[in-house]
Amino acid sequence: DADVTQTPRNRITKTGKRIMLECSQTKGHDRMYWYRQDPGLGLRLIYYSFDVKDINKGEISDGYSVSRQAQAKFSLSLESAIPNQTALYFCATSATVNYGYTFGSGTRLTVV
Amino acid sequence: AQRVTQPEKLLSVFKGAPVELKCNYSYSGSPELFWYVQYSRQRLQLLLRHISRESIKGFTADLNKGETSFHLKKPFAQEEDSAMYYCALSGMGGGNKLTFGTGTQLKVEL
Repeated sequence: DADVTQTPRNRITKTGKRIMLECSQTKGHDRMYWYRQDPGLGLRLIYYSFDVKDINKGEISDGYSVSRQAQAKFSLSLESAIPNQTALYFCATSATVNYGYTFGSGTRLTVV
Repeated sequence: AQRVTQPEKLLSVFKGAPVELKCNYSYSGSPELFWYVQYSRQRLQLLLRHISRESIKGFTADLNKGETSFHLKKPFAQEEDSAMYYCALSGMGGGNKLTFGTGTQLKVEL
């Protein structure tokens, strides 16, 4: 079983719809992160959480929100999806950053 | 602010040739640097960390603080090395989160 699981793997949604991407982990890590990957732009941080009560914005948080429901679960929501949010979204976890991240398999989101 | 620059979007080499993937960083403090690899249709995986000074799959990287670089090297490329490679930086002042470069696609040709 994967340590970090993202659902769904693929999703097509319409402009203006609300959508939630989910991430769960069995690593027991406190720190969780959401990144988006775009060709030529690499990975950019959307939100991160160092524990259940600690949520922080990343460099591109506009249009997104998150919820840390438990240590193991960190969800990303697009309140009103727009086409330029079409991307590959990755969830990651870490114990401390110096040991590196464990990534999920990604969610490919297409907004039409 | 912390920034990571990978100047090459694509690097093509022949099998058996040496590989060097460039990474430069900007950070005022003492950085922690990483290389991640993403094989086709797979998740990103940690390749190596500069603090551990390890060699993974024949790859090494040395932190050069004078040149603010952390280039990834391998003496002899293998076909299975074809992948996307990301350099990443963590700075203590950045809240212990990673900043990634834009990535370099390595293509090893036969």
